Amino acid sequence: QKEVEQDPGPLSVPEGAIVSLNCTYSNSAFQYFMWYRQYSRKGPELLMYTYSSGNKEDGRFTAQVDKSSKYISLFIRDSQPSDSATYLCAMSAVGTGGFKTIFGAGTRLFVKA
Amino acid sequence: DAGVTQSPTHLIKTRGQHVTLRCSPISGHKSVSWYQQVLGQGPQFIFQYYEKEERGRGNFPDRFSARQFPNYSSELNVNALLLGDSALYLCASSSDRVDSPLHFGNGTRLTVT
Repeated sequence: QKEVEQDPGPLSVPEGAIVSLNCTYSNSAFQYFMWYRQYSRKGPELLMYTYSSGNKEDGRFTAQVDKSSKYISLFIRDSQPSDSATYLCAMSAVGTGGFKTIFGAGTRLFVKA
Repeated sequence: DAGVTQSPTHLIKTRGQHVTLRCSPISGHKSVSWYQQVLGQGPQFIFQYYEKEERGRGNFPDRFSARQFPNYSSELNVNALLLGDSALYLCASSSDRVDSPLHFGNGTRLTVT
């Protein structure tokens, strides 16, 4: 079983739709949760960063963490064609080897105009 | 401020050769991490360096090595290249805060023929 599971998609939605992206994880030691956006031929760009369970909102983006269920989500409201990208969930834990960040496989999102 | 910079952007090598990839972190960041991203997958952790010392190592063979210099820049070396080493190699930097998230460069795309 992978430490982080993420549906690879692809997910295709019309412009203006609400998008829901999800990840599950197995390691309860994960303390920090992130969402990255990656455009083709580019490096991942940090979108959201959360520590505790609950919701965090930034513009059209809302990150949700449920540590009891080991489940995190990213919601995108009023989706735009420019949101078309791969979305990577990531989570980190402090261990004997330092601060390690593990990524999901990424979900490819297409927003149609 | 300049972000994480990586060089070269693209590289084509032959099986059995070795390669050196370079990374300059964001100014003020002392930690550098290296990730390998195969097409269609999420980034896989290779190394983390902090203050020139190795802080973590992923599940990669000894053909992979890295080092960090006094100015916090870093090199990733891969010896005896295999076809399966073809991937996007990403460098990320973070500050010395234990909860600092990773900030990525745009990667070096390595093709092994």
